[in-house]
Amino acid sequence: DIQMTQSPSSLSASVGDRVTITCRASQSISTYLNWYQQKPGKAPNLLIYAASTLQSGVPSRFSGSGSGTDFTLTISSLQPEDFATYYCQQSYNTPPNFGPGTKVDI
Amino acid sequence: EVQLVESGGGLVEPGRSLRLSCTGSGFTFGNYAMSWFRQAPGKGLEWVSHIRIKTYGGTADYAASVKGRFSLSRDDSRSIAYLQMNNLRTEDTAVYFCAARGSSGWYPYWGQGTLVTVSS
Repeated sequence: DIQMTQSPSSLSASVGDRVTITCRASQSISTYLNWYQQKPGKAPNLLIYAASTLQSGVPSRFSGSGSGTDFTLTISSLQPEDFATYYCQQSYNTPPNFGPGTKVDI
Repeated sequence: EVQLVESGGGLVEPGRSLRLSCTGSGFTFGNYAMSWFRQAPGKGLEWVSHIRIKTYGGTADYAASVKGRFSLSRDDSRSIAYLQMNNLRTEDTAVYFCAARGSSGWYPYWGQGTLVTVSS
């Protein structure tokens, strides 16, 4: 199985900050990497797929980059509604594992 | 509007069974592989199972933690995916989400989740 790690596990930020979250895969996954946002009591919401493609309806302040084993999710200017937990997920093979999550709070 | 609605969760004793349903609307259900994930209280997301579309045999795969106990099926005529969970354990306690799988393994559509609590 491909193991996914994320850093940091949590971070504190303010509205307007630039936030960067990293995700690492235990082996090369090309660009089969997706990012989700999850708020308490809600289902995950797809933000970025194929490492860098913005899902329809997702604000352009979210961006993704990377390939191989190292990936980054960037929020260019944090908004109040962005305080949530963010997960990466590999879709290179089964099982489609998620990272442990990064909680972004104030 | 695409919707996925899970049902069937609840409180069950260890060793008993439960069947979850995931009903889709607003999209061509039969064209999507369907997956189940779960999230234990305060924990991250864990893949449970997925079932392929009929074109690819309609077969299912399972996480090691549920293999032999859980069974996933689909009824495309009714746009429903069923997760049959047998011999439930306390560690199966979680919110269970169904999701429709995109072409290269991302999940654009999710249900709201249904809580399964396994406890005596």
